[in-house]
Amino acid sequence: GAVVSQHPSRVICKSGTSVKIECRSLDFQATTMFWYRQFPKQSLMLMATSNEGSKATYEQGVEKDKFLINHASLTLSTLTVTSAHPEDSSFYICSARQANNYGYTFGSGTRLTVV
Amino acid sequence: AQTVTQSQPEMSVQEAETVTLSCTYDTSENNYYLFWYKQPPSRQMILVIRQEAYKQQNATENRFSVNFQKAAKSFSLKISDSQLGDTAMYFCAYNQGGKLIFGQGTELSVKP
Repeated sequence: GAVVSQHPSRVICKSGTSVKIECRSLDFQATTMFWYRQFPKQSLMLMATSNEGSKATYEQGVEKDKFLINHASLTLSTLTVTSAHPEDSSFYICSARQANNYGYTFGSGTRLTVV
Repeated sequence: AQTVTQSQPEMSVQEAETVTLSCTYDTSENNYYLFWYKQPPSRQMILVIRQEAYKQQNATENRFSVNFQKAAKSFSLKISDSQLGDTAMYFCAYNQGGKLIFGQGTELSVKP
């Protein structure tokens, strides 16, 4: 079945530094990937949609300069949290959609802690 | 705006019994997909069941089935013969325009 690998699973960084999270589709080509943020006991909030070879589309209220998304190939999308602050601490999840398929596969998530 | 509403923040059920989780959504589209995802303590999102809106027949996957009422925009999930491993957060989600929009979630506890 379709597998999405997300790394790292946990990361702790200092305030003011940047952190990159990778989302990779292992056995299929993902024309579209999605990035979500989830607070404890809450739902997944869509942050942005990334399409291979084009700029990401951000949801309202999401700072595009803070959350940089790159989708340079059909199997890899990255989310970089720039100049991280403690309020950016959260659980980030990526999802990939297969071409011509309404199946969505999720990565295992990244717990980001900014200290 | 498209919205998905799960009105039950928490539910519990005895092992081997049946439980129904409710979900309503709002859309003006005619063709779309609806999903139920499970998120156990590991936080990995797992697809439980999927329904295509143009299909009148309710989807079924083993112990999981849905009651899809298109006119009422209702999409409830029934879990039969509940098992301890069913304990998790359950999210209803709606797809349109390629994006998955999630409801608030229902925390289900299966008690022995």
